[in-house]
Formats: sequence, C-alpha cells, structure tokens
Amino acid sequence: DTEVTQTPKHLVMGMTNKKSLKCEQHMGHRAMYWYKQKAKKPPELMFVYSYEKLSINESVPSRFSPECPNSSLLNLHLHALQPEDSALYLCASSQGFGGLTDTQYFGPGTRLTVL
Amino acid sequence: KNEVEQSPQNLTAQEGEFITINCSYSVGISALHWLQQHPGGGIVSLFMLSSGKKKHGRLIATINIQEKHSSLHITASHPRDSAVYICAVRYANYGQNFVFGPGTRLSVLP
Repeated sequence: DTEVTQTPKHLVMGMTNKKSLKCEQHMGHRAMYWYKQKAKKPPELMFVYSYEKLSINESVPSRFSPECPNSSLLNLHLHALQPEDSALYLCASSQGFGGLTDTQYFGPGTRLTVL
Repeated sequence: KNEVEQSPQNLTAQEGEFITINCSYSVGISALHWLQQHPGGGIVSLFMLSSGKKKHGRLIATINIQEKHSSLHITASHPRDSAVYICAVRYANYGQNFVFGPGTRLSVLP
C-alpha cells in the first residue's frame, strides 16, 4: 500500500466554522507533512511531524492547528479561517530519515473554500 | 535565500515531440525530486536523484551536481503528459524537507 489518503476531497466552510482535514498512510512512514497550495503556485510547507512530534511549523497562523494522534494519522484543525485561506491542502509522508530514497508520497489533497 | 528556478514556465508541444524541462538551484543539495501534478491536484513522484541519470519509460532525468542543474526529458510526448512538472530540492543543510520550484506547465497537443 503506497497510498496517502485525505478526507474530505472538497470542503466549503464559513469564517466562523470549525472543521478538520484528515490524512492517513499505512506505509510505516514516520514523517508527515502539511502543504498549502494556491492556484498556479508550488506547494508551501506548513507543518512537519517527525515520529509523531511537531518538528517544523513554518510560521503558520494559529487558526491552523495540526495534530498527529499516531504514526499513521495526521489532522489539520481549522478555526476562524479567512477567505484567503482557500487553497488546496496537501498531505505527504516519507520514511523520515532524509536519505536519497526518502521520497515524499502525496495525497490527492483537500480543496478548501472559505466563504 | 536558497531558491529553485525552473524553465520554461510554460511549454506547449505537439504530440510526439521531445521535451526538456530545466531546474537550477543555488547551493549544495542532498537530493532532487521531480514531481508531476495533474489538473485536480494529485502529485506523483517521478524521480529522486542525487547524481547521474535515471530513466523510467519515456521519462529521463539527469543531474549535474557541479553546475547545480537538472533536466527532465520526455520522449515521444503524448497529450496525457500534460501536467505541471515541479522540481524540488533537499538542501544539504535543510534536514529532510524540500524546497519547491515554481513548476513548468506543459501542454501536449494532439
């Protein structure tokens, strides 16, 4: 199983809503990533979890809150978002040791629209 | 600032043409990743390399460490190759994370 799954595929939410994005992998990977991608731009790294601990937070606003309940799951909790947060949110995972074969596997993304 | 550049930004080709996409970076890397993103968002890993050349089907990736440059070649291009191709590098001093290039948008016309 070399798949990273993300739910939901699409999400529309108001600025006062609280919602969560979910990501799951069963490849035994120990590093998991959240990226944000705006239209016609490359992915921007948001968070990295390594061995279930938050290792990188790229100065992301606190209205985005990541959570890694176990090594297979990664959540992104959303609260009080702004319309400019509308984007494709991508999850990825990798073995986590940083070597040449440490390829990142990407999920299909959640397309988020904030009204 | 460690930056990744790609050229061209956009590329339109006729079916069957040989295509080259270029990537250049500024400082030493431990690995370079070529990714493909189709409309709708899904990203697929094509190659990861740190030296020499790799081939998979009609795709060939090369890297020149001294010149800090990599190329992705597509032989006998097909409309299904239409996608955004992204180069991402793992810098030697940046742990396990990648820095992404801006992408090259390829359209292959039948």
